[in-house]
Amino acid sequence: DAGVIQSPRHEVTEMGQEVTLRCKPISGHNSLFWYRQTMMRGLELLIYFNNNVPIDDSGMPEDRFSAKMPNASFSTLKIQPSEPRDSAVYFCASSLAGGPHEQFFGPGTRLTVL
Amino acid sequence: KNQVEQSPQSLIILEGKNCTLQCNYTVSPFSNLRWYKQDTGRGPVSLTIMTFSENTKSNGRYTATLDADTKQSSLHITASQLSDSASYICVVMGSASKIIFGSGTRLSIRP
Repeated sequence: DAGVIQSPRHEVTEMGQEVTLRCKPISGHNSLFWYRQTMMRGLELLIYFNNNVPIDDSGMPEDRFSAKMPNASFSTLKIQPSEPRDSAVYFCASSLAGGPHEQFFGPGTRLTVL
Repeated sequence: KNQVEQSPQSLIILEGKNCTLQCNYTVSPFSNLRWYKQDTGRGPVSLTIMTFSENTKSNGRYTATLDADTKQSSLHITASQLSDSASYICVVMGSASKIIFGSGTRLSIRP
């Protein structure tokens, strides 16, 4: 298995533009997590899905952020409109559900909003 | 307030030496505690997962301990190698969506 796949790996955009980050979880995993990592705040959970259903989005910072999981093999995190303070590394992780299973992280998307 | 505090913030040791990283938490309810290794520019990689009833868990040269009474955990690295240079992050899970991250310890191994 190729592991969790994220794209793009790097994204540079201008303030006000829409940004879409993509994630393909490990096949067979039914939990998917979106995280954000910054120097100031460290790692933070944004949202997580169980069997394609959003379970908790309380970590999503603002209405500008939205996430979808249309099927078991694909998820998106969208920021619209983007702002400079959204600059961070965004990680997607997947795991089996129903217990303290290991989460496998993707390589991350480094987002820079100018 | 749910918090995870790690110490030290950074640590430099010589190759071959042992070291211990600390994690104190106040997360409640408690489900499990995880240690991750994060190399620069990469996603975190799981080292250990411990539930309430587990006191010690090893993964090669990494040994994690958990004292659920004092809400403390440690990660001991034996016979350090240059490849151990990374950030080590302690994560406490209170429930499926309550995931609290420590700020990490940045470990540098010098030859």
